Amino acid sequence: DGGITQSPKYLFRKEGQNVTLSCEQNLNHDAMYWYRQDPGQGLRLIYYSQIVNDFQKGDIAEGYSVSREKKESFPLTVTSAQKNPTAFYLCASSNWQGAGANVLTFGAGSRLTVL
Amino acid sequence: GESVGLHLPTLSVQEGDNSIINCAYSNSASDYFIWYKQESGKGPQFIIDIRSNMDKRQGQRVTVLLNKTVKHLSLQIAATQPGDSAVYFCAETSTGANSKLTFGKGITLSVRP
Repeated sequence: DGGITQSPKYLFRKEGQNVTLSCEQNLNHDAMYWYRQDPGQGLRLIYYSQIVNDFQKGDIAEGYSVSREKKESFPLTVTSAQKNPTAFYLCASSNWQGAGANVLTFGAGSRLTVL
Repeated sequence: GESVGLHLPTLSVQEGDNSIINCAYSNSASDYFIWYKQESGKGPQFIIDIRSNMDKRQGQRVTVLLNKTVKHLSLQIAATQPGDSAVYFCAETSTGANSKLTFGKGITLSVRP
């Protein structure tokens, strides 16, 4: 089945530690995205990537880093510089142009809790 | 600033009734709108979309209405079922280069048996 796989589903981190969330897609989509979701709020864009080896900051990139070495993979690192990292993180992908552009397919999410 | 928002945080409906979820947007340049459904503990799923050259689009049990004059979008769900219980998000974008989706805060739909 085609889709997006995020791992781990649940992650606990001590303050001061970096953690990396995995996102893999087999939809052959060009673009991939990371969103953060907090209770009672909409999705906020952290980073996105249109093509391999290129990525752009979203609205709340501070304290996060990404890489796009392969088309199917877009890992997100939550660094110790992120002041309030406890949240639900969603990865998504889409075509970048043409039909289907901006129609995002989402993964199941990763819930990060800082202890 | 530009924003996409929802009028009500929660909506409770009786099973079998029709549901109407409303969304206001403020970016007059937006020309493409999407509704997503998010079940508890899962990622959002695409429901239906509409472009600004239309004012109505129908899917299976769902209808999206767009009123560009007042910048208002609504999602109508016919014969609401327990499986429709979820958080619903509207999202908007313009179809220009490098445009990105802006999501509203979400509204919780609760279906009473």
